[in-house]
Formats: sequence, C-alpha cells, structure tokens
Amino acid sequence: NAGVTQTPKFQVLKTGQSMTLQCAQDMNHEYMSWYRQDPGMGLRLIHYSVGAGITDQGEVPNGYNVSRSTTEDFPLRLLSAAPSQTSVYFCASSTRDLKTRFFGPGTRLTVL
Amino acid sequence: AQSVTQLDSHVSVSEGTPVLLRCNYSSSYSPSLFWYVQHPNKGLQLLLKYTSAATLVKGINGFEAEFKKSETSFHLTKPSAHMSDAAEYFCVVTFQTGANNLFFGTGTRLTVIP
Repeated sequence: NAGVTQTPKFQVLKTGQSMTLQCAQDMNHEYMSWYRQDPGMGLRLIHYSVGAGITDQGEVPNGYNVSRSTTEDFPLRLLSAAPSQTSVYFCASSTRDLKTRFFGPGTRLTVL
Repeated sequence: AQSVTQLDSHVSVSEGTPVLLRCNYSSSYSPSLFWYVQHPNKGLQLLLKYTSAATLVKGINGFEAEFKKSETSFHLTKPSAHMSDAAEYFCVVTFQTGANNLFFGTGTRLTVIP
C-alpha cells in the first residue's frame, strides 16, 4: 500500500491563479479530509468527506472547493489563490470509526 | 465546546533527561486522544493513541501517555530524551459525535540539548 499520497510536494502560485492539490489513498478509507498547517495554529480542517459523493465544510473552507467522485481521490481546489493561503496542506484518510488516521506527506504552497 | 490546549509552545531538555509535554482537553463527550510527531519538513507520524481502553498508552520510540479523565489531561512522557526526538509534537483530540474532525493543539517544539 502506498498509503496517502499528495502531489505536488511544492508549489508557487501568483495571486489570482487557480490550482488543484491532489490527494489519493489506496486503503479503501471512507473518510478523507484536508488540513492546513500554519505556524502557531496547529492544523485546521478545511473540508472533509465521509464517502464518495459527500463533502462538507470544516473550520476554514473559504477559498477552497473539494469533490469526491471516487473513494480513492479527494482533490482540493484553490479558486483564486491569495497570499493568505500560503501554508502547508495535509490530506488525511481514516477508517470509519475515525480511530486510525493516516496523513499524507504534505504540499507546501506559496502564493506571491 | 471542544478544544485542546498544549501548555508549552517550546520545551528544551538535555539528552538523557526525561521529557514531559503537556496536553489538556475540554469536551462534553468521551474523547479519543492522539499524539503526533512532525520532524522538520516531514509529515505527521502517529506516536500513540487512546481510544477508551487502558489509560496508560505506550507508543513508538519509548514514548507513553496517560489519560486522566479527572484532570482532562493526556500528557506525553519519555524517560530519557534522545537527540532524534527533537521535533514538533501535536496533541490531537477527536470526539465521537459523528463529525469527521480532529482538534489539533498548537504544537510543542521539543529541543534536545547534547
């Protein structure tokens, strides 16, 4: 198993550009989620999904969209990048009981 | 309201001395509790977890944590620090409310002095 994979590892955008951060897992987990990590703030939930076709907002959803067309993939879209979205983004997947959660290696995004 | 607090943003210890990283939570529900470690420019690695079984939980690399309901605490300890333990540590809580959410503490950076 590859676990949770994220691409790209690093990305630099200009303000106003759009892009998609990819996340995939091969463990057949129903639950997937996106977090952003900022200094002194821990990780904050952006969006999550409890299964294919079902998504919901987390703590900081503004400026981000998600979709879950398959169990394996959970892409995060930045519609119009802003400097405030400079962060490290982590994707995670978990078993149904939420007791075992796996994180991807992260994507470091810089918005100029 | 649910929340998790890591009481120290930075802890420094000498190599070979004990480590104590403190975590307190508040919740109306029975929590599951985790400690994750993040080495520089690396992802998050699970150290240990408490999910309503034994209150003293042993994890990887010699770390352990004790769930104390009366004190709403889940402090992380290690008897003897190693240089490789230098990293950032996150206390994480999830509540069995049906929502897919983890509450992260703000992190404690552990420095190990040779």
